[in-house]
Amino acid sequence: GIQVEQSPPDLILQEGANSTLRCNFSDSVNNLQWFHQNPWGQLINLFYIPSGTKQNGRLSATTVATERYSLLYISSSQTTDSGVYFCAVEPNAGGTSYGKLTFGQGTILTVHP
Amino acid sequence: NAGVMQNPRHLVRRRGQEARLRCSPMKGHSHVYWYRQLPEEGLKFMVYLQKENIIDESGMPKERFSAEFPKEGPSILRIQQVVRGDSAAYFCASSLDRGTTSGYTFGSGTRLTVV
Repeated sequence: GIQVEQSPPDLILQEGANSTLRCNFSDSVNNLQWFHQNPWGQLINLFYIPSGTKQNGRLSATTVATERYSLLYISSSQTTDSGVYFCAVEPNAGGTSYGKLTFGQGTILTVHP
Repeated sequence: NAGVMQNPRHLVRRRGQEARLRCSPMKGHSHVYWYRQLPEEGLKFMVYLQKENIIDESGMPKERFSAEFPKEGPSILRIQQVVRGDSAAYFCASSLDRGTTSGYTFGSGTRLTVV
């Protein structure tokens, strides 16, 4: 099946710093999403971004589908950004993979005040 | 639109008991997907259901686990004779049709603890 690798596995920042999280995937995809799992365990959908670039406040994401990677940018980080960031992909498998997201192992982000 | 609702948020069961987890999809959605997050592991797909049908159960453990999505009411993930290894967070997502063009939205999850 499709492989999803995220880097770095851990990231520690001071409040106000910027960061870039990376997601590499091994095959073509219908869907790519970035999620934030907060310290209470809730899974928050950040971006649906199978290709192109999107921005939402201090967060932005870019997916280069032809090169099979996606980047999540966090600017001016805040302590509330702490948590685990997951990249998840839905393979382009001719309709047999609907809803079968494959998640990366996540990047654990800690933002200190 | 209340989003995807899961209950209970936390569930404690003794070994050998049954666990029933509920997922109410977003209004108008008829496709539901269940995922499990074991401690120290990422989320993994379990099962995809449409109203009254199981579409893909390739991620479901072969024994003790079952899922349904009746014509009326929420989707239910049922775990019989729970063991400590079933302790995990269980999430569900829903969509209007097969697949998505805007991303899957997940519920807040049910955290199952088996004691």
